[in-house]
Amino acid sequence: KNQVEQSPQSLIILEGKNCTLQCNYTVSPFSNLRWYKQDTGRGPVSLTIMTFSENTKSNGRYTATLDADTKQSSLHITASQLSDSASYICVVSAGRLAFGKGNQVVVIP
Amino acid sequence: DGGITQSPKYLFRKEGQNVTLSCEQNLNHDAMYWYRQDPGQGLRLIYYSQIVNDFQKGDIAEGYSVSREKKESFPLTVTSAQKNPTAFYLCASSIGGGPDTQYFGPGTRLTVL
Repeated sequence: KNQVEQSPQSLIILEGKNCTLQCNYTVSPFSNLRWYKQDTGRGPVSLTIMTFSENTKSNGRYTATLDADTKQSSLHITASQLSDSASYICVVSAGRLAFGKGNQVVVIP
Repeated sequence: DGGITQSPKYLFRKEGQNVTLSCEQNLNHDAMYWYRQDPGQGLRLIYYSQIVNDFQKGDIAEGYSVSREKKESFPLTVTSAQKNPTAFYLCASSIGGGPDTQYFGPGTRLTVL
């Protein structure tokens, strides 16, 4: 059974600080990995997508990394803003999509 | 949210009633999906459709039904057979199936009273 595990489940950070979210997966064969941002009560929005051969991808203050050998990905948020408060979902494609449960981030002033 | 709309945003129903959630997209995408999201859980696939007039069950299809009569529309009916229907429902679409990026609608929160 494909699995995507995210950690930490939730975290609180001060505005302006950096944070890193982790995603470990066991799905195979791997096609690509996406990070989505989901604001409360809204649909997820794609932040980054990486294929097997890519090990880093940036989207503004968001930088995703991928280590396909260890099956690990991370999402780094730089200089966090209040608007970064959301759930960040790791999604791995292996034929069908496998969703993590999300990292709940709360940014406080 | 892109070119995908879901309505209504909030929906209340009494036990034993069927209810239909609307999903429309103007992205000219072939594939459409319905997911259910519960607190503390990842998205779970209910049904998906890769072409008009064809759809397949996902992981939790029991108690749900869909139709795909038009490329732009993929309504989901939550039937009285669904034992625990209160949840946040998300519709998505993609150019094709498989690894293509899925674009999500704003969601419908269904509450059974």
